[in-house]
Amino acid sequence: EAQVTQNPRYLITVTGKKLTVTCSQNMNHEYMSWYRQDPGLGLRQIYYSMNVEVTDKGDVPEGYKVSRKEKRNFPLILESPSPNQTSLYFCASSSHRAELFFGPGTRLTVL
Amino acid sequence: SQQGEEDPQALSIQEGENATMNCSYKTSINNLQWYRQNSGRGLVHLILIRSNEREKHSGRLRVTLDTSKKSSSLLITASRAADTASYFCATDPTGANSKLTFGKGITLSVRP
Repeated sequence: EAQVTQNPRYLITVTGKKLTVTCSQNMNHEYMSWYRQDPGLGLRQIYYSMNVEVTDKGDVPEGYKVSRKEKRNFPLILESPSPNQTSLYFCASSSHRAELFFGPGTRLTVL
Repeated sequence: SQQGEEDPQALSIQEGENATMNCSYKTSINNLQWYRQNSGRGLVHLILIRSNEREKHSGRLRVTLDTSKKSSSLLITASRAADTASYFCATDPTGANSKLTFGKGITLSVRP
């Protein structure tokens, strides 16, 4: 089944404790991106990647890192999480000039 | 930067009625996309309309695009309770998805 998977789905952590949210797609898509969704603010793009080893900042990249070493994986790294990074995170992928496929979301709470 | 703005913010209709949702944007686009999100879940793509298209249909969905007014509308005909969800428009200035920006969404409630 064609899908985008994210892990973990739910995470509660404490300020400053490094964490990684994994994202993987099995559709051989070139493009992958991360969004965060907050009430009243909609979806905002954090980082995106046009292909392996090619990443770029979105609208809200501060406090996040990404890497794209393999085509199928695009992990989101929070080196030192803070409470303002409490949010619902979505990974998405697409082939060239086509619609986005979204993962199920990761609900992160930073205490 | 948030480009698409949906209107209304919330819509409540009876099953069987049509639902019309609007999206306005500010700068030129390559395409505009509509997505649906059921509560707390991932977004699902509904339809993509390119800047050189004026209207597109998919099942009970009809999307129009007016580039001169920088606006789009999504019409869901003969609505069902299962259409209850949030709907988002997303604008793509390049066609490559790299700068795809979403509006804040419309909450549609369809009463059985």
